[in-house]
Amino acid sequence: EAGVAQSPRYKIIEKRQSVAFWCNPISGHATLYWYQQILGQGPKLLIQFQNNGVVDDSQLPKDRFSAERLKGVDSTLKIQPAKLEDSAVYLCASSPGQGSEQYFGPGTRLTVT
Amino acid sequence: QKEVEQDPGPLSVPEGAIVSLNCTYSNSAFQYFMWYRQYSRKGPELLMYTYSSGNKEDGRFTAQVDKSSKYISLFIRDSQPSDSATYLCAMSGNNQGGKLIFGQGTELSVKP
Repeated sequence: EAGVAQSPRYKIIEKRQSVAFWCNPISGHATLYWYQQILGQGPKLLIQFQNNGVVDDSQLPKDRFSAERLKGVDSTLKIQPAKLEDSAVYLCASSPGQGSEQYFGPGTRLTVT
Repeated sequence: QKEVEQDPGPLSVPEGAIVSLNCTYSNSAFQYFMWYRQYSRKGPELLMYTYSSGNKEDGRFTAQVDKSSKYISLFIRDSQPSDSATYLCAMSGNNQGGKLIFGQGTELSVKP
């Protein structure tokens, strides 16, 4: 069974530029999560989707971050404009349903200069 | 106060040692407890998943949950250099829709 796929793996941008990350969850997983992991910290949830609907985006900085999961499968996370403090690893995870085990992708390492 | 507290280490042990990793938490509504292993520049990998209190064993790994003390542990027996990684505890409750709250992670190094 294929795992969670993410691209790109690495991205370097200058502050105020925009960037987008892509995630393809495990086949059949209805729930998709985006986490931000700053160096030396545990992942922090940014947004959670159940199929193509948003369940929790309370910690998403909506003035600069946006995410969508239009067909209930893959998802994109966008940052516009980026700030230095957005430098982190962005992890996508999926699970069969809410409350089930979550499986993580390899992450996208973003560096904002 | 953070909802989940975890000693960041680093923790260094010799090969073959028993390793004990721990987390404390403050939210009594947490019912699902997980341990993830994260190698450098990789995503977290689920090791153990436990519901409510009790013990769960899988090979060299044992997870313990003590809800009365709000304390969870992961034990690694016969530790190997390949166990060198960061170990993250994570937890969730029924009222959180699956949202995981993670500890800071403990960096473990097993020396040959």
